[in-house]
Formats: sequence, C-alpha cells, structure tokens
Amino acid sequence: GENVEQHPSTLSVQEGDSAVIKCTYSDSASNYFPWYKQELGKGPQLIIDIRSNVGEKKDQRIAVTLNKTAKHFSLHITETQPEDSAVYFCAARGYSSASKIIFGSGTRLSIRP
Amino acid sequence: EPEVTQTPSHQVTQMGQEVILRCVPISNHLYFYWYRQILGQKVEFLVSFYNNEISEKSEIFDDQFSVERPDGSNFTLKIRSTKLEDSAMYFCASRSITSGSLGNEQFFGPGTRLTVL
Repeated sequence: GENVEQHPSTLSVQEGDSAVIKCTYSDSASNYFPWYKQELGKGPQLIIDIRSNVGEKKDQRIAVTLNKTAKHFSLHITETQPEDSAVYFCAARGYSSASKIIFGSGTRLSIRP
Repeated sequence: EPEVTQTPSHQVTQMGQEVILRCVPISNHLYFYWYRQILGQKVEFLVSFYNNEISEKSEIFDDQFSVERPDGSNFTLKIRSTKLEDSAMYFCASRSITSGSLGNEQFFGPGTRLTVL
C-alpha cells in the first residue's frame, strides 16, 4: 500500500546550523508533497509544499527538493533558530487533489542554543 | 486569519460509550477530513467527505465510525462504541475547492484528545 518513510526520527542541531530531513514514498502516482510542522498541543501546520513537476522550491530559510525518479524528497532548514524546534512531518498525496494525505512518521527537531 | 476549530479539546470516556467530536471547517471550504494520531505515532487518515458523502475511507474507519455534516458549518466524527485503542488525538482538516496551488493545502484544526478508559 501507500507508504511514506521518514528519517531521522530525532535530530539535534546547533543553533545556526542546517537541518535536513529525508523522506521516500512508495506510490508513484503521488504528485503533491507537503511538509508540516507540529508544535506541542497543536495540529500540523503546512510550512512548504512541492508539486511533482518541480524539482526544488525555496521559501526563506526553508527549501524542499524532490527526486521523482528515486521517489525521494527532502526538507532543508538553514540558519536554524530555537523556534524551529518542533516535530516535522513529510507527506504525500495521490493524483486526485481530493485524495488523502499519507504522513511520514515524523522527525523531532531540537535546536541547541 | 480563518482557521479550523475543534471541540472539545479533550474528551474522556468510558469504553463502550459513544463520543462525538466536533469540527468547524473554514467557511468556504468544501472538502473535509478526519485524521488521528496515536501518541508517539504518525498521523493517519481516517475519512474524507465531499458533497455530503464520504469520498474515501481507510481501514481504520470501520462500522463504529461515522461522519456527518449536520448543518452548514459543523462536521462531526462519531464513534459508536469506543475501545481502548481509540485513544488518540483526532484532527479535522478542510480544503478549498480552488484549483491550482492554492487549493492543495489541507488546513488542520488543533485536535481533540480522546482518552478511553
């Protein structure tokens, strides 16, 4: 069935350094890949997304890359700040825009001061 | 900024009891979803709803679960006879019908923590 694998499960980086989270997906029909940030006691919040016809997208300190052939996609956060500490989920959605979102298992990112 | 709201924030119930979780999606959205997250695990899709009917449901969404849009604003998830393993955070999400990149995003509510004793 459809599956999204995410690594690492926990990540600790020094403030100011970069953080990278990697995901793979199984359904080749997936064409939309959102990334969510979940803070304690809150629901997932979309931080960036990428469609399958694009290889890379950047928004200030956050960038995502997509390798459709290898079914890999990654989140890059540069110049990390304490407020970046949270759980991050990658996800994939099927061809239909109404389709369910399949989430990865999450990465708990901690920024060390 | 419009947002999805959910009530209650925390629901405690006895095993075998019925619970109804309530959600108010963003007003101009037409696609609605329920997801759940067991403590420490990934967010899992339960059901999607459009045009007053279920569009898709997962294996988790068995006969004990039902969804309803009783009026123009609320979207509810009912669990008829709760089990211990139903304990989880339940998230409602909604999406607009706008085509293109603006219509892709599902907006999530803050969640209802369900504890079954």
